[in-house]
Amino acid sequence: EAGVAQSPRYKIIEKRQSVAFWCNPISGHATLYWYQQILGQGPKLLIQFQNNGVVDDSQLPKDRFSAERLKGVDSTLKIQPAKLEDSAVYLCASRLGGNEQFFGPGTRLTVL
Amino acid sequence: AQSVTQLDSQVPVFEEAPVELRCNYSSSVSVYLFWYVQYPNQGLQLLLKYLSGSTLVESINGFEAEFNKSQTSFHLRKPSVHISDTAEYFCAVRTQGGSEKLVFGKGTKLTVNP
Repeated sequence: EAGVAQSPRYKIIEKRQSVAFWCNPISGHATLYWYQQILGQGPKLLIQFQNNGVVDDSQLPKDRFSAERLKGVDSTLKIQPAKLEDSAVYLCASRLGGNEQFFGPGTRLTVL
Repeated sequence: AQSVTQLDSQVPVFEEAPVELRCNYSSSVSVYLFWYVQYPNQGLQLLLKYLSGSTLVESINGFEAEFNKSQTSFHLRKPSVHISDTAEYFCAVRTQGGSEKLVFGKGTKLTVNP
């Protein structure tokens, strides 16, 4: 069974530029999460989808971050415009049922 | 709100030595508890979890953790570590019912030296 796929793996941009990350969850997993992991900290949930609906986006900085999961499968996370403090690893995870979330390898974003 | 404290940011040990990675949590409601491991340049992998029942849970690679409700702890232990155990370990909690959000600690970097 294929795992959670993310792309790109690495991205370097300048502040005020825009960037987008893509996630393909495990086939059949209805729940999808985006986490932000800043260096030296644990992952922090940004947004949770159930199929194509948003369940929790309370920690998403909505003035610059947006996410969508239009067909209830793939998801895209966008930052526009980026700030220096957005430098982090962005992790996507998916879950079928039960309690285990399966994580992708992450996208490492560096904002200069 | 829940919070997780991992008391040690880095733990260096020698191969075949025992290790304990400490985790304490704070929550006003009952929680589920998890340990995740992150190898370099990889995503997080579930190591073990406590949902209910026996307070001692084990992983397939020799790690174990014990849920202690009175001390609000879920420390991770291994009696004899290998070089391949070098990784970052994250403790996480999730409330029983309600939000499915995982709240993570800051992580403990375990380095096993020969």
